[in-house]
Amino acid sequence: DAKTTQPTSMDCAEGRAANLPCNHSTISGNEYVYWYRQIHSQGPQYIIHGLKNNETNEMASLIITEDRKSSTLILPHATLRDTAVYYCIVRVAWSNYQLIWGAGTKLIIKP
Amino acid sequence: DVKVTQSSRYLVKRTGEKVFLECVQDMDHENMFWYRQDPGLGLRLIYFSYDVKMKEKGDIPEGYSVSREKKERFSLILESASTNQTSMYLCASSPGGGRWEKLFFGSGTQLSVL
Repeated sequence: DAKTTQPTSMDCAEGRAANLPCNHSTISGNEYVYWYRQIHSQGPQYIIHGLKNNETNEMASLIITEDRKSSTLILPHATLRDTAVYYCIVRVAWSNYQLIWGAGTKLIIKP
Repeated sequence: DVKVTQSSRYLVKRTGEKVFLECVQDMDHENMFWYRQDPGLGLRLIYFSYDVKMKEKGDIPEGYSVSREKKERFSLILESASTNQTSMYLCASSPGGGRWEKLFFGSGTQLSVL
């Protein structure tokens, strides 16, 4: 099963772009990359997912390298409400229902 | 707006008690999940269900059972609560038919077993 590696914590200034890296060097060809975040005392919230092309939605952009071994989640204009733990997850190929959750990155947005 | 509702935000139980954690979703989703979240261990899947009366074990099913009698409701049962089951419990749901990628989570139930 592909595993992910993320920095433990990051800071970002309010209004700037927050770039959260994720390493998934053992990802296989049919595994997707997912990003969720968890604001304190809440359940995780889906942000975005992708296979190999870059993706963008109203919350964020996902940039996946050509070799698919790493990706970056971009929050274009971070606000204080974006302070959360961000999880990069790779879907387990053999199971349609399992997501393997790591420790995530604690992102702190500073005023 | 989509909603996954967990019956209790905080729950305190005694060792040996039978505990029911209830989860209801209003999105007509086929798939429902129970996770527990512990500091340093992340989210771990306990059980999931992909249809009414269907269930499959996740990574840590020992000490737990589940029930799904109706599509919208998924219950987690601790047959005899123990202190090592003190944790945050999170329920989630997702659409079926191959559209399961996006999980919707409830706010969680913080269970303390004394």
